[in-house]
Amino acid sequence: DTEVTQTPKHLVMGMTNKKSLKCEQHMGHRAMYWYKQKAKKPPELMFVYSYEKLSINESVPSRFSPECPNSSLLNLHLHALQPEDSALYLCASSQEGLAGVSSRFFGPGTRLTVL
Amino acid sequence: AQKVTQAQTEISVVEKEDVTLDCVYETRDTTYYLFWYKQPPSGELVFLIRRNSFDEQNEISGRYSWNFQKSTSSFNFTITASQVVDSAVYFCALSEAYNQGGKLIFGQGTELSVKP
Repeated sequence: DTEVTQTPKHLVMGMTNKKSLKCEQHMGHRAMYWYKQKAKKPPELMFVYSYEKLSINESVPSRFSPECPNSSLLNLHLHALQPEDSALYLCASSQEGLAGVSSRFFGPGTRLTVL
Repeated sequence: AQKVTQAQTEISVVEKEDVTLDCVYETRDTTYYLFWYKQPPSGELVFLIRRNSFDEQNEISGRYSWNFQKSTSSFNFTITASQVVDSAVYFCALSEAYNQGGKLIFGQGTELSVKP
């Protein structure tokens, strides 16, 4: 199994809603990532989990809350989002920890629209 | 400081033409990794290649080839005999081995449109 899966594919939510994005990989990778991508822009790193511990938070607002229940799963909890948070949210994983030696494999993303 | 520059914002070609996507990078590290990703309209970032800084051999994979030149800090990507399915945004990225948690520095991307 060489893929990263993400659910849902599309999500529309109001600014008062609470929702969660889910990511799963079964490649035995020990690092998992959340990226945000706006249209016509490259992905921007949000969070990095290494060995199930939060290693990097790129100064992301607290309305985004990551969670890593186990080595295969990564969640992103959303609460009180703003319309400017509408974007494609990509999950990725890589074999090793934080070192750049490992190739990062991305999921198909969740297209989020905040009304 | 690390930086990746993809000077070509958009390229349009006709099917069967060869096309080269340019990538120029900046880094102070001697150990680093370069990547190319393809992002079709569906949104998924598809991994194409990883190259480490000590391996300057060019690589060919089917219609894809990569030219890594440390002397010019470039890692260019050529598609031979392009096809409509090659239409996508292509990102070049840099990662320094032991710096900043292996953060991937992306270029701005090149949108390739292959017309039938």
